[in-house]
Amino acid sequence: DTGVSQNPRHKITKRGQNVTFRCDPISEHNRLYWYRQTLGQGPEFLTYFQNEAQLEKSRLLSDRFSAERPKGSFSTLEIQRTEQGDSAMYLCASSQDRRSGNTIYFGEGSWLTVV
Amino acid sequence: QKEVEQNSGPLSVPEGAIASLNCTYSDRGSQSFFWYRQYSGKSPELIMSIYSNGDKEDGRFTAQLNKASQYVSLLIRDSQPSDSATYLCAAVPVGANNLFFGTGTRLTVIP
Repeated sequence: DTGVSQNPRHKITKRGQNVTFRCDPISEHNRLYWYRQTLGQGPEFLTYFQNEAQLEKSRLLSDRFSAERPKGSFSTLEIQRTEQGDSAMYLCASSQDRRSGNTIYFGEGSWLTVV
Repeated sequence: QKEVEQNSGPLSVPEGAIASLNCTYSDRGSQSFFWYRQYSGKSPELIMSIYSNGDKEDGRFTAQLNKASQYVSLLIRDSQPSDSATYLCAAVPVGANNLFFGTGTRLTVIP
């Protein structure tokens, strides 16, 4: 088990372009999360999937953001018409739903710089 | 009011000392609490989880939970320079399926 995998790890894009990040969760983890983190802040929740169903979206997730998890395996996060304020680290995490608790493990993150 | 609050520090301790990191949370019904360590430029790494009142020890780390006071802490004994990082406290409020994080406390262990 290689943990949560994210790519690309770094992306520099021009304002107005679209970007897509991919996340491969820990195998057999049925829950997948996307968070965003900016400098000096803790991670902020964006959205959550249980299997292929997107069950929760934060108000932070504007209409320019869309996330999918086809077949309940990997997930993609797309940002359309990027703005400089979108520059951040985008973190994917996964967990297995258990009665004993729901420990969430993070991937290495995808850094986005919008210039 | 933020769900989870931490003193942003920075906190400096000499090598070998005990580092004490504190966190409060606003949702009294929260049941699950976590401490993550984050090195500069890296993603959060889980250190400990705690669900019941009292202490939970794992090596040099002890997590403490006091639900009556809505307070979670992390003690690091025999602090090492490699412990220098930002420590993030997180909680899962009632009815939520995701973590709410504090802003983190930056710890520096001075050799």
